[in-house]
This record gives sequence, C-alpha cells and structure tokens, in this order.
Amino acid sequence: AQTVTQSQPEMSVQEAETVTLSCTYDTSESDYYLFWYKQPPSRQMILVIRQEAYKQQNATENRFSVNFQKAAKSFSLKISDSQLGDAAMYFCAYEAAGNKLTFGGGTRVLVKP
Amino acid sequence: DVKVTQSSRYLVKRTGEKVFLECVQDMDHENMFWYRQDPGLGLRLIYFSYDVKMKEKGDIPEGYSVSREKKERFSLILESASTNQTSMYLCASSPPTGGIGQPQHFGDGTRLSIL
Repeated sequence: AQTVTQSQPEMSVQEAETVTLSCTYDTSESDYYLFWYKQPPSRQMILVIRQEAYKQQNATENRFSVNFQKAAKSFSLKISDSQLGDAAMYFCAYEAAGNKLTFGGGTRVLVKP
Repeated sequence: DVKVTQSSRYLVKRTGEKVFLECVQDMDHENMFWYRQDPGLGLRLIYFSYDVKMKEKGDIPEGYSVSREKKERFSLILESASTNQTSMYLCASSPPTGGIGQPQHFGDGTRLSIL
C-alpha cells in the first residue's frame, strides 16, 4: 500500500520569508500524481499545486513551487514571500489509479507578522 | 466554481444512534468521496463512488456505509455510532478522467461528536 509521510507537524515562518515543507512517499507505481492541498482555518480544503510523476520539470504556481525528486520519492513544497493568508494546514497527497488519494498527516504552517 | 455542500458543520449524537451525513455537489461530477480527518493522521478514505448506485470501500470502511441514489448526492451513514467515530468528516467530488490527476473539490467538513 502507498504511504505518504510529512515529518514536520508544524512550521513557523516570518512574513515575507520562505518556508519549505517536506513530503516523502512510498510506491511501486511508475505513473502517478502528487498534490499539495491547503486547509485554512475555515476548513475548506483547496488545491495548491500538483505534479505528474512523468514530468521532470517542477511545478510552480505563483509563490508556490515544488521540488520533485522521483528517485528519492520526495515532494517538497516551497512557499516564497510568505503571507498571513498562507497560515493553514498543508497536506501532501498521492494518487495512482482510480482518482483515490492517500494523504500525509499534515503540516501546520504559522506565519508571524 | 464547484460547490460541495455538507449538510451540517457541527453535529452531536449519542452512542448507538444511526447518523446520516449528507453531501451535495453542483457540478455534475461522477466521482464522490468520504474522508475522515484526525490530527496527525491526515485524511483517510472511508468510501467512494464513481457513479449513481455504485460504491467502493476505502481504507477504513468498518462501521460506515454509504448511499448514492442521485448523482449529486452522496450520504455517509454511521449504522450505530460509537465514540471512536468522533472526528471531522470531509466530502469531496471530482469529474471522471480516463487516467488520473483530476483535483478533488472538498466541502467545509462536518465535525461530529459522539457522546
């Protein structure tokens, strides 16, 4: 079974600084997607960024970027120029067949003004 | 924008009660999912459905069942609620794909307490 591990329960970052969240996963599949989801205090989960395993280029969405290391099964999220609105729980998720997601335990990001 | 609506934000029930959690999506999505969210464990898949009247077990189906009589509605049922089912429940939907990679759209969640 696939597993997703987020080793940092909580991260703190100063406003305007950069923070990197780590995620590792275990799979024997070659074709899959990886996602980062954000859950703000209002609780609705929203997609931040996604990466297809076959694409070597790291995905970027504005201030959010990933470092995808397929051989190492690592998928970290970098938040640049952190803003107060970035404070949330962040979940790494893996998808293989069937659109079923396996989530990590989450990392809480605190942004200090 | 896709809207996934869960019927209750907070719910308090008693042990042994039959509990219904309702979820409705407005984007004609075929795929619907129920997760429970617990601190440190992330989200775990309870049940999912790829079409009306279809259902598949997820990773933690014990103690739960589901119903999908209409495409837009996916209900989670706790047959006989127990205290270890106190949790946050999240519903999600996504359109069908020939492969993978379609993001899921989530509701606001229902925080369920079983006393």
